[in-house]
Amino acid sequence: AQSVSQHNHHVILSEAASLELGCNYSYGGTVNLFWYVQYPGQHLQLLLKYFSGDPLVKGIKGFEAEFIKSKFSFNLRKPSVQWSDTAEYFCAVNPNFGNEKLTFGTGTRLTIIP
Amino acid sequence: ETGVTQSPTHLIKTRGQQVTLRCSSQSGHNTVSWYQQALGQGPQFIFQYYREEENGRGNFPPRFSGLQFPNYSSELNVNALELDDSALYLCASSRWAGQGNYEQYFGPGTRLTVT
Repeated sequence: AQSVSQHNHHVILSEAASLELGCNYSYGGTVNLFWYVQYPGQHLQLLLKYFSGDPLVKGIKGFEAEFIKSKFSFNLRKPSVQWSDTAEYFCAVNPNFGNEKLTFGTGTRLTIIP
Repeated sequence: ETGVTQSPTHLIKTRGQQVTLRCSSQSGHNTVSWYQQALGQGPQFIFQYYREEENGRGNFPPRFSGLQFPNYSSELNVNALELDDSALYLCASSRWAGQGNYEQYFGPGTRLTVT
């Protein structure tokens, strides 16, 4: 069965610092990849997704992610974080067949210090 | 806001009881997925419904069952509740059109506590 690893459980950064959150998955076939964010007290919302094409994907709020197939990775990046980026971030994978079952990682809690 | 609504917001049940959670999909969406999110964990896929038929199931026992109605709203039923069923239950809707680009829109969740 496929799995998703997010090795950073809690990341603390100062405003304007650069961010990279790791995501690795274990599935050998074609996959669709997602990053979701959950702001305090809010529902999960999509930051960005990769289905095919350019492996560098740009999402909302200045986030981007790069799909590196040889490393089974889909790391999330932002060049300069803001206090409002404080949230829980989840990476998710869907093997490209039949349905939209998403397998999520355990999440990374990001705290931005003003 | 995503247009996906869930009810109730919170629920407290006793071990052994049964519970029904409800989800109203975003307009135009024909697929609904249910996830269980335990404290400190990522959401875990329970099952998905497409046009009223189950279309994929995760590693959950048969006491977790669901329904999707002609208007694409959905129910999640859990029988014989156990303490470990305490979690946030999330509903997500999307417009499935075969293999291709899609996006799941999540509701706010129902917090279930089993005592």
